[in-house]
Order: sequence, then structure tokens, then C-alpha cells
Amino acid sequence: DTGVSQDPRHKITKRGQNVTFRCDPISEHNRLYWYRQTLGQGPEFLTYFQNEAQLEKSRLLSDRFSAERPKGSFSTLEIQRTEQGDSAMYLCASSLSGASNYGYTFGSGTRLTVV
Amino acid sequence: AQSVTQPDIHITVSEGASLELRCNYSYGATPYLFWYVQSPGQGLQLLLKYFSGDTLVQGIKGFEAEFKRSQSSFNLRKPSVHWSDAAEYFCAVGSNDYKLSFGAGTTVTVRA
Repeated sequence: DTGVSQDPRHKITKRGQNVTFRCDPISEHNRLYWYRQTLGQGPEFLTYFQNEAQLEKSRLLSDRFSAERPKGSFSTLEIQRTEQGDSAMYLCASSLSGASNYGYTFGSGTRLTVV
Repeated sequence: AQSVTQPDIHITVSEGASLELRCNYSYGATPYLFWYVQSPGQGLQLLLKYFSGDTLVQGIKGFEAEFKRSQSSFNLRKPSVHWSDAAEYFCAVGSNDYKLSFGAGTTVTVRA
């Protein structure tokens, strides 16, 4: 068990470009979550998957954001036409379903800087 | 909707002294409560969690937290702080659909 892996760790992009981040959860975890954390704030929920199904999306997730988990394993988060306000740490987490398993394992995050 | 307030933005404590971080939550039902720690540039690590039962919860790294329903609080404590405890600490409340709402965090500085 190598934990939750996120790639890349850092991404600098120009405004208007598209970016894609990848998350590899703990292999047996069927739930996968994306959160966004801006400087000086706690993480904010973006979306989550149970297996390959995307069950909920936050209103924070504008039309420029899309997330997929095609085979119920790894997930990608794409941001199209990036804006400076998208600069943040994007955190992925995973867990097993069930109340007794409540408590995510987070990855180290992808820090996005839009210039 | 649930929410969390961490009243202290920054706390400085001497090494070996005790530490208490405050957390107040708002949630209509029985809450799932969590404390996470984040080192600079890193993800969040779960310290401890409360679902039900004993209101004093033990976690990793010598931390404990006490759930007080009457005060809507879930304060984190450590009897003797080590320099390696310098980090940012987040309290979170979870809903029945497994989404977490985090507080804004408390930064802990440990002085020698």
C-alpha cells in the first residue's frame, strides 16, 4: 500500500491553457474525492466518485472543470481555460465506503499556479 | 449544512508545553468529527476521529480530542509538544454522505 499518489506535484500554466491532474487512490478504496485548498483556508469539497460513478459535484466545480474515474481506479481532474482564480492546491483522497471507514487518506496534492 | 470554526488562526507554544486547539462545529445531526494535520506543501494526515461512544478519543502522535455535545466542540490536546508538531491543524465535520467540511485551520509554531 503506497498511499494516494498525485501527479504532478506542481504545475505552472499560463492563463487560458488546459491542465489535467491525475490521482491514484489506495488500490482497494472504492471512494475517491477531490478537494481544493487555497492559501490560508481549509480544503473545500469539489466532487467524489464511488467506483466509476461520479455521485456529486460541488457548485464550486464550474463548467470548465471535469473529473473522471473511467475504470473505478485512477481519476483525472481537468481544468479548461484556466484562470488566475484556479490557482490552488488540488487534493485527492480515497476511502472505503461504510461509516466505520469514514476518514479519508489524502494524497500530497497538486499545486497549480496560473500566471 | 455543516460548518466548522477554528477560532485560533495561529498558536505559539514552547517545546514540552501542553497544546489545546479549539474547534466548534455546526451540524444538525450526530456529527462525524475529525482532526487532520498538514505539514508545509504536503497533504493532510488523519490524527483522530469521533463517530460515537466514548467522548475522549485517542489518536496518533500522542494527540487526543474530547467531544462535548453541549458546547458543539471537539478540541484537540497534546500534553507535551515536540518541535515536530509544528504544522497546520484542521478540524472537520462529516455528513452522512461522506463529505467533509473543514475549518480554516490553526497554525502551530513550536519554540525551543
